Order: sequence, then structure tokens, then C-alpha cells
Amino acid sequence: NAGVTQTPKFRVLKTGQSMTLLCAQDMNHEYMYWYRQDPGMGLRLIHYSVGEGTTAKGEVPDGYNVSRLKKQNFLLGLESAAPSQTSVYFCASKKGPLRQYFGPGTRLTVT
Amino acid sequence: EDKVVQSPLSLVVHEGDTVTLNCSYEVTNFRSLLWYKQEKKAPTFLFMLTSSGIEKKSGRLSSILDKKELFSILNITATQTGDSAVYLCAVEDSNYQLIWGAGTKLIIKP
Repeated sequence: NAGVTQTPKFRVLKTGQSMTLLCAQDMNHEYMYWYRQDPGMGLRLIHYSVGEGTTAKGEVPDGYNVSRLKKQNFLLGLESAAPSQTSVYFCASKKGPLRQYFGPGTRLTVT
Repeated sequence: EDKVVQSPLSLVVHEGDTVTLNCSYEVTNFRSLLWYKQEKKAPTFLFMLTSSGIEKKSGRLSSILDKKELFSILNITATQTGDSAVYLCAVEDSNYQLIWGAGTKLIIKP
């Protein structure tokens, strides 16, 4: 099992550009999450999904959109990137009451 | 508003010392409390606690939960330089969402 994978690992964007981060898991997990982590801070939930075709807002959803068309994939989109979105993005997945498994992270810089 | 508070925010000790990290919480519809270790990459899972008073142990690390006083502690005995990391505490609510603390940065000096 590859576990949770994220693509890309690094990206530099100019203000106003768009991009999509891909999260994939091969563990048949129902729940998937997108977090951002800024220096010296814990993780903040952007959006999450409790199953294929469903998504919901987390703590900091503004400026992001998500889609879960397939159970194994959870996409995070930035339509018009801003410097405030410079961060490390982590995807996670879980099955029922069990713990979350994390991807390796994507380091995004917006100039 | 749900919140998780960790203390101290940072801690510097010498190799061989014992450390205690604290996590207090105010979360509606508590389901579980989790501890993760983060070393400049993705968090790695340490413990999940759901019941009060039952210690979970893994090698030199142990943790316990007090659901009455709404806190948990993570103990590390005989610390090693490899224990240097940020330790994150998170509380899961009934919607399977995690509320994260800011973390405790632990530095172990040789």
C-alpha cells in the first residue's frame, strides 16, 4: 500500500494563478481532509469529505475549493492564489473511528 | 468555540531527562484525543485515547487522559536527541473532525 500520496511536493505560484493539489489514498478510507500548516502553528482544517461526492467546509475554507469525485481522490483547488496561501498543505484520510493517516505534504509558495 | 491548548509551547532539556507535555481541551462532543510527533514533515501517530485513566505506553513514551478535568499528558522518559520534534495534540469530535493544538516544540540537548 502506498498509503496517502500528495502531488506535487513543491510548487511556486504567482499571485492570481490557479492550481490543483491532488491527494490519493489506497486504503479505502471514507473520510478525507485537507489541512494547512503555517510556521509555528498547528494544523487548520480547510475542507473535508465524509464520502465520495460529499464535501464540507472546515475552519479556513475561504479561497479554496474541493472535489471528491472518486473515493480514493480528494482534490484541493486554488482559483486565484494569494500570498496569504503560502503554506504547507497536508492531506489525511481515515476509516471510521480510527486515526488519521497523513500524506507527505505539499509546500506552496505564492509570490 | 472548541479549542485545544498545549503547554509549554517550547521546552529544552538534556538527554536522559524526563519530560511531561500537557494538552487541555474544551471540545463539544468529544470522541477521542490523539498525540502526534512532527519532525519537519507529516505528523506521525503516537497515541489515541478515548477512556479516562487508562495509560497507553509505547517504549519510553506514555500518555493518559482525564476526561473529567479535560486534559491529557504525554510523558517521555530517558529522552534522546531523536525525540526532538514538535508534539501535536488533537481532539476529535463526533463529526470526525480534529481540533489541533499549536504544538510543543521539544529540543533535547546532548
